[in-house]
Amino acid sequence: DTEVTQTPKHLVMGMTNKKSLKCEQHMGHRAMYWYKQKAKKPPELMFVYSYEKLSINESVPSRFSPECPNSSLLNLHLHALQPEDSALYLCASSQVGWNEAFFGQGTRLTVV
Amino acid sequence: AQSVTQPDIHITVSEGASLELRCNYSYGATPYLFWYVQSPGQGLQLLLKYFSGDTLVQGIKGFEAEFKRSQSSFNLRKPSVHWSDAAEYFCAVGTSGSARQLTFGSGTQLTVLP
Repeated sequence: DTEVTQTPKHLVMGMTNKKSLKCEQHMGHRAMYWYKQKAKKPPELMFVYSYEKLSINESVPSRFSPECPNSSLLNLHLHALQPEDSALYLCASSQVGWNEAFFGQGTRLTVV
Repeated sequence: AQSVTQPDIHITVSEGASLELRCNYSYGATPYLFWYVQSPGQGLQLLLKYFSGDTLVQGIKGFEAEFKRSQSSFNLRKPSVHWSDAAEYFCAVGTSGSARQLTFGSGTQLTVLP
């Protein structure tokens, strides 16, 4: 299984809502990542988890809260988002110490 | 800090023609280099990677790339483009160290004419 599965595929939320994005992989990877991608732009790294511990936070606003409950799952909790947070959110995984990352299909988030 | 430059924002080729997408990188150590492809609204799929060894690497879907250290380049090529190759292509460089991460170029949009 070489897949990274993200749910939901699409999400529309209001600025006062709380929602979560979910990412799952069963490749035995112990590094997992969240990226944000705006239209016509490259992915931008948000968070890196290594062995279920947060190792990189790229100065992301606190309205985004990551969580890695186990080695296969990665969540991104969303609260009080702004319309400019609308984007494609991509999850990826890799072996720790390797750059070859496998990406999910993404969650298209729209904040209204 | 590492960086990647993709000089061509948009390239148009006819189906069956050859393709070359340019990528230049800046990184102080031995680079780990990647090409990813992204169809509209989709995730990124790895086409090929270079870590070390043979400077000409083969990937999926008939793509290849050549690492040239003297030119700091890692250009992607395909001898004959298919209509299904139309997509966004990203070159990326990976950092070394315990907390690995990818830095992407700005991307090249490929249009394929029938």
